[in-house]
Amino acid sequence: EELLVESGGGLVKPGGSLRLSCAASGFPFGDAWLSWYRQAPGKGLEWVARIKRPPDVGATDYGAPVKGRFSISRDDSKKTVYLQMNSLKTEDTAVYYCSTDHSVYSASSGNWLEPWGQGTLVTVSS
Amino acid sequence: EIVLTQSPATLSLSPGERATLSCRASQSVGTSFAWYQQKPGQAPRLLISDASNRATGIPARFSGSGSGTEFTLTISSLEPEDFAVYYCQQRYNWPRTFGPGTKLDIK
Repeated sequence: EELLVESGGGLVKPGGSLRLSCAASGFPFGDAWLSWYRQAPGKGLEWVARIKRPPDVGATDYGAPVKGRFSISRDDSKKTVYLQMNSLKTEDTAVYYCSTDHSVYSASSGNWLEPWGQGTLVTVSS
Repeated sequence: EIVLTQSPATLSLSPGERATLSCRASQSVGTSFAWYQQKPGQAPRLLISDASNRATGIPARFSGSGSGTEFTLTISSLEPEDFAVYYCQQRYNWPRTFGPGTKLDIK
């Protein structure tokens, strides 16, 4: 049961841009706060950005390494959260995951879950 | 930013043994604390939230304890599928931060 599916990763040159998407299904998307996390190769987990649920959709927050370069947004009609990444650096190379910030009810399983997507790899290299 | 320190960095045990993993926070986080398991090539999997509540589908051999600045994840009797990396996370404030991880490997 895949509740979150990321896409949009790939190879990009330093200074370039990329937009990641995370499509949700199987839970009430409009009730969820959502975050992006990342994991550089062989390293630990790092929180990247968070967006609250309506009506506080404008309430976003970012980790210090990405503030001013990355932007998180959501389209509730498409049940999708995005991460726009600009001015990319080699140190942004990582697998990027999306996740809810709290438990959500999965109607198909009848359980409260805190899902993570499978991740999408972003490689910043010349 | 709250800094989390995990110990040990690596823990080598045999199936059937008891595992005790520790995490210390640089300031009190109450019980706003979680543990994750991650296997190679997979996304992290939530094990414990609110310091001691097992997530849906997590076996009873996993238990979490602690509050304030000291937390423990205990695996009562290791199964072969438990050998993985374990991360702690504070959920007290933003930015959400993680510990560097404890690698649990087979002795």
